[in-house]
Amino acid sequence: NAGVTQTPKFRVLKTGQSMTLLCAQDMNHEYMYWYRQDPGMGLRLIHYSVGEGTTAKGEVPDGYNVSRLKKQNFLLGLESAAPSQTSVYFCASSYDGATYEQYFGPGTRLTVT
Amino acid sequence: EDQVTQSPEALRLQEGESSSLNCSYTVSGLRGLFWYRQDPGKGPEFLFTLYSAGEEKEKERLKATLTKKESFLHITAPKPEDSATYLCAVRSNDYKLSFGAGTTVTVRA
Repeated sequence: NAGVTQTPKFRVLKTGQSMTLLCAQDMNHEYMYWYRQDPGMGLRLIHYSVGEGTTAKGEVPDGYNVSRLKKQNFLLGLESAAPSQTSVYFCASSYDGATYEQYFGPGTRLTVT
Repeated sequence: EDQVTQSPEALRLQEGESSSLNCSYTVSGLRGLFWYRQDPGKGPEFLFTLYSAGEEKEKERLKATLTKKESFLHITAPKPEDSATYLCAVRSNDYKLSFGAGTTVTVRA
């Protein structure tokens, strides 16, 4: 099993450009999550999904959109990138939201200039 | 709002020098406290889940304990390969995880 994979690993954007980050998991997990990690701060939840076709806002959703068209994939979109979105983005998945731990992908380092 | 505070921010140890990391939390109904290890440039790796005060979990040189207000991660006789950032997170009634900022541990040979 590959677990949770993320593409791309690195990306540099100019302010105003758009992009999509792809997360895939092969563990048949229902729940998927997008976090951002900034220096000196804990991981912060952007959006999450409790199953195929569902999405919900997390702690810091502004400027991001998500889609979960297939159970194994969770996409994070930035429509108009801003320097404040420079961060490391992590995708995670879990079997459920109540009792099981989350498994994380390797991350995507995004720089917006 | 759930809050998680980890201390110290950084910890430098000599190989074999045991120490503890602290994770204090306030949460509306604890549904699990999680410890993760994160190596530079990688995603967090799950270590332990604790559910109730008094519970303990062990894995190699690591031992996690839980009280009603805090958790400790004890590192016994650490080796250089234990160098990493250790993250604590709590899950509350809304089933989301709230993370602390982490403790970066450096173990010198």
